[in-house]
Amino acid sequence: EIVLTQSPGTLSLSPGERATLSCRASQSLSSNYLAWFQQRPGQAPRVLIFGASTRAPGIPDRFSGSGSGTDFTLTISRLEPEDFAVYYCQHYGSSYTFGQGTKLEIK
Amino acid sequence: QVQLVDSGGGMVQPGRSLRLSCAASGFAFSLYAMHWVRQAPGRGLEWVAVISFDGSKRYYADSVRGRFIISRDNSKNTLSLQMNSLRDEDTAVYYCARDLLGYCGDTSCYGGYFDYWGQGTLVTVSS
Repeated sequence: EIVLTQSPGTLSLSPGERATLSCRASQSLSSNYLAWFQQRPGQAPRVLIFGASTRAPGIPDRFSGSGSGTDFTLTISRLEPEDFAVYYCQHYGSSYTFGQGTKLEIK
Repeated sequence: QVQLVDSGGGMVQPGRSLRLSCAASGFAFSLYAMHWVRQAPGRGLEWVAVISFDGSKRYYADSVRGRFIISRDNSKNTLSLQMNSLRDEDTAVYYCARDLLGYCGDTSCYGGYFDYWGQGTLVTVSS
């Protein structure tokens, strides 16, 4: 079973700063089946990135995904107030596994 | 527009059953695999089950296999989750989600990301 480990657990930044979130897989992911989700309090998750680096429709271009194999990164180039939320990575290969999440909070 | 509406949650005693529903609209429901995902209070996301577009293939997380049954009625655009032998640890918000680009084979579904989610319905298992 693939385990996804996200770091850091909590990231404290200010609006306008750059955020870098990490997701590490316990084994190489097939076909880069890696997605990133944003979840705001009281809301359902929203997909940001799929295929490790493809932005989902309607997602602002300040969000970008990169990586392959076992190491993946979500970058938010300039934080907006609405970006402070919890972010999850997910593998959607032969099993569906989520990371434990990174909370992005206002510094 | 694509809409998924979750319903059926509530409070139930351990060992009892509950049935969740997800009403789909705004897309050709019968062409998409569908999932259930849950989130315990204050915790992360956990995948629960998936069903192929035609209902012929169903796969479950180890934590619910043998207790939960995922099903669908394509004539009514409805996804369901029958939850039996409920345990305290099943307490969570349950979300349905649409699978985009995935494929269901003989041993698993794979390759599809979750592009639309319902709003969630809370299930509380407590005596």
